[in-house]
Amino acid sequence: AQTVTQSQPEMSVQEAETVTLSCTYDTSESDYYLFWYKQPPSRQMILVIRQEAYKQQNATENRFSVNFQKAAKSFSLKISDSQLGDAAMYFCAYYGGSQGNLIFGKGTKLSVKP
Amino acid sequence: KAGVTQTPRYLIKTRGQQVTLSCSPISGHRSVSWYQQTPGQGLQFLFEYFSETQRNKGNFPGRFSGRQFSNSRSEMNVSTLELGDSALYLCASSLVSGGTGGFYGYTFGSGTRLTVV
Repeated sequence: AQTVTQSQPEMSVQEAETVTLSCTYDTSESDYYLFWYKQPPSRQMILVIRQEAYKQQNATENRFSVNFQKAAKSFSLKISDSQLGDAAMYFCAYYGGSQGNLIFGKGTKLSVKP
Repeated sequence: KAGVTQTPRYLIKTRGQQVTLSCSPISGHRSVSWYQQTPGQGLQFLFEYFSETQRNKGNFPGRFSGRQFSNSRSEMNVSTLELGDSALYLCASSLVSGGTGGFYGYTFGSGTRLTVV
């Protein structure tokens, strides 16, 4: 069965600095997708970034980028120029065609200090 | 473009009662999934519907059920509520179900906070 592990329950970053959130996963599939979702106190899960496993190039969305290491099954999220609005729970998620649903990690709570 | 709408936002029920939660997906999205979020277990998959058919089901007891209507709106029902059913229930929709055609992720609603007393 596929699993997703986020080893950092909490992280803190100074405003305008850079922070990296870690995620590892386990799968025997070769074709899958990886995601980072953000959940602020408003509760709504917001898609931050998406990565297709067959693409070597790391995905980037404005200040958010990933370091995707397929062989190591690692998928970290880098947030540059952190802003107060980035404070939230961040969830790493796996999607493979065989099970047809998202598998989430336990999440990392990110605090941003002014 | 309207997002995923879940109603109600909050709900308080008594043990033994049943509850129905509603989800309206983004227009054009035919896949609707439900997740349960608790502090202890995190986010757990309940089930997925695509074109009115249940495509996938998570590891939850039969008290949890759902359905999808022809307009893609979905409901989930929990019968004989237990204290442990207290959770945030999230609905999510997407354009496609499964790997064909690519998967661009789910759009989530704001959830229904269910409290069982």
